[in-house]
Amino acid sequence: TQLLEQSPQFLSIQEGENLTVYCNSSSVFSSLQWYRQEPGEGPVLLVTVVTGGEVKKLKRLTFQFGDARKDSSLHITAAQPGDTGLYLCAGVGNDYKLSFGAGTTVTVRA
Amino acid sequence: ETGVTQSPTHLIKTRGQQVTLRCSSQSGHNTVSWYQQALGQGPQFIFQYYREEENGRGNFPPRFSGLQFPNYSSELNVNALELDDSALYLCASSWGTGGNSPHHFGNGTRLTVT
Repeated sequence: TQLLEQSPQFLSIQEGENLTVYCNSSSVFSSLQWYRQEPGEGPVLLVTVVTGGEVKKLKRLTFQFGDARKDSSLHITAAQPGDTGLYLCAGVGNDYKLSFGAGTTVTVRA
Repeated sequence: ETGVTQSPTHLIKTRGQQVTLRCSSQSGHNTVSWYQQALGQGPQFIFQYYREEENGRGNFPPRFSGLQFPNYSSELNVNALELDDSALYLCASSWGTGGNSPHHFGNGTRLTVT
């Protein structure tokens, strides 16, 4: 059972389009991390958000942490084929350990 | 800077057998966490090792055990393998035990139990 629910499960878009991936939970997290995982590789950390309401930008990627620190979103502007991968959110709970969502598989078609 | 390396990359075992997976942490990192990632799922926390001691454990039975060595490398041992143990096993190293410490993942060991 995943503590964090990610939606949608799958997303397929054309190059140049925008997309948003959501990560929701009923639990409060001290921080939340986003990772991207490509086939045959381990997850790679993209960003950590700590403060409720925080917005972080990483080139074409925008990450937002909900005010109540229970949810987060990842928005990609003008997606490129290189953005293809499994996007995972992970929350840091009271035990200071990471709890991952099931992930969103993003496919960007050229 | 050497990244996290895991061995072997792939492994096929029979139900009931035992398996040992290995992880070399990134240089400068003193903490190793192990995760199980089933197909179509996110990684599930197995346990963490810090200073050669287990420091936190997820919802996994005792047949999952581990070790950390003085050089911070680590092993994951699984006894009495079951079909449901088939998964990608990921190792992540970090400096410090908190979840906020950036985790650097290896590329995993793909275990298939038949």
